[in-house]
Amino acid sequence: EDQVTQSPEALRLQEGESSSLNCSYTVSGLRGLFWYRQDPGKGPEFLFTLYSAGEEKEKERLKATLTKKESFLHITAPKPEDSATYLCAVQAGGGADGLTFGKGTHLIIQP
Amino acid sequence: DAGVTQSPTHLIKTRGQHVTLRCSPISGHKSVSWYQQVLGQGPQFIFQYYEKEERGRGNFPDRFSARQFPNYSSELNVNALLLGDSALYLCASSLVGGTTDTQYFGPGTRLTVL
Repeated sequence: EDQVTQSPEALRLQEGESSSLNCSYTVSGLRGLFWYRQDPGKGPEFLFTLYSAGEEKEKERLKATLTKKESFLHITAPKPEDSATYLCAVQAGGGADGLTFGKGTHLIIQP
Repeated sequence: DAGVTQSPTHLIKTRGQHVTLRCSPISGHKSVSWYQQVLGQGPQFIFQYYEKEERGRGNFPDRFSARQFPNYSSELNVNALLLGDSALYLCASSLVGGTTDTQYFGPGTRLTVL
């Protein structure tokens, strides 16, 4: 069974304090790993797709990396508007073509 | 361009009733997926449809069903509602529903079962 574990569950940072969120996965044949941002009461907003170990992608203050067992979302000099829940999801080689999500990391950036 | 749209925004039902949720994908997208998100959890996959055919199904009971129409919009139906069905129901669209297609999510329908 495909599994995705995100840590920490919650993280509180000061504005400008850089950190990383972790996503560990166990899947049978990874086809893609996805990062989404979700604001309260809204649908997930797509951030990145990573396909193979060693791949990196950047967008503004966010950078996503991928290894064979985990992915990191690095947040550099965050601002209060970066506060949200960050979800990691995998799409595996077998099964139903649906995404398997982790529970998310609830990130709070204090001014 | 409009993103994924879902209706209604909120819905309150009582146990035993049935509900129909609707989704319109991004223009040009032919695949629609449905997810259930319980408070404090990540979304859980229910169905994926592509070109009106069911491509995949998650671990949900037969009370859950869906269909896709010729214009690629979709409906999710849930019969005999239980308290545990209270959740945010998310629709996601993708170009062809392939293995590397990005799924773009709508705002969701908040279902409360009393």
